[in-house]
Amino acid sequence: DVKVTQSSRYLVKRTGEKVFLECVQDMDHENMFWYRQDPGLGLRLIYFSYDVKMKEKGDIPEGYSVSREKKERFSLILESASTNQTSMYLCASSLPPGQGYSPLHFGNGTRLTVT
Amino acid sequence: AQSVTQLDSQVPVFEEAPVELRCNYSSSVSVYLFWYVQYPNQGLQLLLKYLSGSTLVKGINGFEAEFNKSQTSFHLRKPSVHISDTAEYFCAVRRYGGSQGNLIFGKGTKLSVKP
Repeated sequence: DVKVTQSSRYLVKRTGEKVFLECVQDMDHENMFWYRQDPGLGLRLIYFSYDVKMKEKGDIPEGYSVSREKKERFSLILESASTNQTSMYLCASSLPPGQGYSPLHFGNGTRLTVT
Repeated sequence: AQSVTQLDSQVPVFEEAPVELRCNYSSSVSVYLFWYVQYPNQGLQLLLKYLSGSTLVKGINGFEAEFNKSQTSFHLRKPSVHISDTAEYFCAVRRYGGSQGNLIFGKGTKLSVKP
């Protein structure tokens, strides 16, 4: 079974802090994703990466950056956390579409609170 | 561009009753359609998918969905629900040839199964 592990289940940070959310997958997937989940808004894509050191902006990249130095690890960075970034963050991974259909495999999420 | 509308934000139902969770999509091109489920305190997992072929697709845990191109709908059904089906359900759409980064999620429907 594919395992996507997010390093923290709950995180509390102060406004202005630099925050790192870490995600590791163990299935050698090329694609990795960061979503934000808010009540009533569903999932919104922040960034995704289709290879090491490659990244693409999603729908809501403002205030975030990402890093993918190794295939199995995809980090989400909040350069200067703000209260409106309080949310549930979900990491996912998948094979590229060309290798047959591959569903997204999600981690259990990191609930970030910025005070 | 594609969009997804889940018509009900919450659906309460009694155990062993049938349920239908409604999903409509908008797209000017052909699409793939998905339902994902999120159990409490977990990430999302794929319930079922429509890529092509038969318009009635079966998924895990006794769920099925029917693709209706003329009505641009992909409603999820189960003839008899269990307490364990209590979860949030997300409909998602991706255009043919699109990357996984083009997966658009609906806002979710919370299914609450009562004894």
